[in-house]
Amino acid sequence: SQTIHQWPATLVQPVGSPLSLECTVEGTSNPNLYWYRQAAGRGLQLLFYSVGIGQISSEVPQNLSASRPQDRQFILSSKKLLLSDSGFYLCAWRVLGQQNSPLHFGNGTRLTVT
Amino acid sequence: AQSVTQLGSHVSVSEGALVLLRCNYSSSVPPYLFWYVQYPNQGLQLLLKYTSAATLVKGINDFEAEFKKSETSFHLTKPSAHMSDAAEYFCAVSEEVGGFKTIFGAGTRLFVKA
Repeated sequence: SQTIHQWPATLVQPVGSPLSLECTVEGTSNPNLYWYRQAAGRGLQLLFYSVGIGQISSEVPQNLSASRPQDRQFILSSKKLLLSDSGFYLCAWRVLGQQNSPLHFGNGTRLTVT
Repeated sequence: AQSVTQLGSHVSVSEGALVLLRCNYSSSVPPYLFWYVQYPNQGLQLLLKYTSAATLVKGINDFEAEFKKSETSFHLTKPSAHMSDAAEYFCAVSEEVGGFKTIFGAGTRLFVKA
């Protein structure tokens, strides 16, 4: 069966520090991968998605970047965190090319920038 | 672009009462629609999805949703609320372009009173 791992679960970082959140998927090949951010009391905002290794699409201009160095690995990064980067970050995958394929989410990383 | 509107950021029901969470979508093509549930500090889990095979879709935990094209709605219902249903619920629509991006509504938090 497929599983998705996301870490760390919680993170407290000072303003101006770098960030690296990692997400890996097991049990499937060539997944579409996604990073979402959920601010307190708000819905999910799509940050990045990837349809293959090295292929990253950004949805909103921001202080973050994403990379996909391997087929089932998705990394969210920042060189210098801002207070506004605080939030709940969710990684997700879905089956490539299948209509009606739902998203499968990791358990999220709660990031607090102080 | 497709969009999703969830009416009511908070819904409160008594245990055993009917649950009704509203979702309207905008789409110029037949949509792929989903309902997800999120428990505190966790990722989202799929409740059900619209496959176009039937307008009434049954999901887990006795939830169901009815697709009404004329009303562009996909409301979620459950005949009898249980305390364990207290969570946040998200309606979502998938675009069949790019990376099959999924757009989420703002979410509805369900409270269940004893």
